[in-house]
Amino acid sequence: AQKVTQAQTEISVVEKEDVTLDCVYETRDTTYYLFWYKQPPSGELVFLIRRNSFDEQNEISGRYSWNFQKSTSSFNFTITASQVVDSAVYFCALSGDNNNDMRFGAGTRLTVKP
Amino acid sequence: KAGVTQTPRYLIKTRGQQVTLSCSPISGHRSVSWYQQTPGQGLQFLFEYFSETQRNKGNFPGRFSGRQFSNSRSEMNVSTLELGDSALYLCASSLASGRGYNEQFFGPGTRLTVL
Repeated sequence: AQKVTQAQTEISVVEKEDVTLDCVYETRDTTYYLFWYKQPPSGELVFLIRRNSFDEQNEISGRYSWNFQKSTSSFNFTITASQVVDSAVYFCALSGDNNNDMRFGAGTRLTVKP
Repeated sequence: KAGVTQTPRYLIKTRGQQVTLSCSPISGHRSVSWYQQTPGQGLQFLFEYFSETQRNKGNFPGRFSGRQFSNSRSEMNVSTLELGDSALYLCASSLASGRGYNEQFFGPGTRLTVL
């Protein structure tokens, strides 16, 4: 069975602080895909990144970076120098190789205070 | 390129009624997936349609059904509404089906309130 755990329910930081959102997953598939989505108050899920199970390279995109470690089944997301506009709920998700059925974590609500 | 559109955005129904929600995918996308989001259960997969056929189904009762038209637009229907069906229903479209790497683009959702 596939499962995604985001243990942090809520995080509050002050602007310009760095923050890391944790994601731990479980799957029996050898090929799988991990995603991060952002959900602002408007409700629409915004795609941030996709990673396949064979690519453990860390990725950086501006202030965002992702650390994928198969050994610990983790796919953590770091925001550097956070901004108020980063306030949202962030979801980590997992899908197998043969379907579009994504399993989402419970989400982490990030609040960035000015 | 227009994004995924969902109508209506907000809906209020009473218990026992039925409801139909609509989703228009991004032009050229043939796969449409539906998700239910509630505070208690989080985001849960309902079903996926591709080329007018249901490809995948989540763990929901038969009161939840859907269909897809030849133009890839999709509708989902919930019959005999229960209070617990109050949720944000999100539709996602992707180019193809059957491969987990397909990036899914989400619509703004339909917020259903059952009284």
